[in-house]
Amino acid sequence: EVQLVESGGGLVQPGGSLRLSCSASGFTFSSYAMHWVRQAPGKGLEYVSAISSNGGSTYYADSVKGRFSISRDNSKNTLYLQMSSLRAEDTAVYYCVKGKYSYAKGEFDYWGQGTLVTVSS
Amino acid sequence: DIQMTQSPSSVSAYVGDRVSITCQASQDISNYLNWYQQKPGKAPKLLIYDASNLETGVPSRFSGSGSGTDFTFTISSLQPEDIATYYCQQYDNLPLTFGGGTKVEIK
Repeated sequence: EVQLVESGGGLVQPGGSLRLSCSASGFTFSSYAMHWVRQAPGKGLEYVSAISSNGGSTYYADSVKGRFSISRDNSKNTLYLQMSSLRAEDTAVYYCVKGKYSYAKGEFDYWGQGTLVTVSS
Repeated sequence: DIQMTQSPSSVSAYVGDRVSITCQASQDISNYLNWYQQKPGKAPKLLIYDASNLETGVPSRFSGSGSGTDFTFTISSLQPEDIATYYCQQYDNLPLTFGGGTKVEIK
């Protein structure tokens, strides 16, 4: 059974940093692209970042470019999102999402339960 | 970025009714379109991929059609457990953009 478990969310002050982790199991993690998608409270889904299966290609939405960094450790079956210079508008539930292919362009098939990041003073 | 325009933003229907949602892409995306269902407090769930293919285990009352820029998602007979918000998503180009969502309610 595919499982994606996010952790690392919490309350952080504007300008602060946070690192999200996503622990994956039930599939060959190193074979698939992984993504982060976020959802602000009461709002729709926003695509944040992606990384190819071997980590060689990454992508960032304009809204987070230069502030967020996606990475993965295939030996630990773990995906990361390092977030810095956080703003109030980054407040959202962050979902870890598995892609169906090794490259980032393609459909998602499994989502984690999400972790809430709140940016507030 | 490819913009996805989804309508209506909300729909209210009776149990057993047919419900349709449309999604329009700002450019040709072939059939690279997903439909997701999100229930309150839960992660989205993939229902339809490649515009018209039903994900394994998804009831056959859900269907999708379209290609190019215009797509339709249909619930043939609305059930109480279908109460949720539905999103389209294109995966032709990064960023993999979503529509604004359609909230489906029971009358």
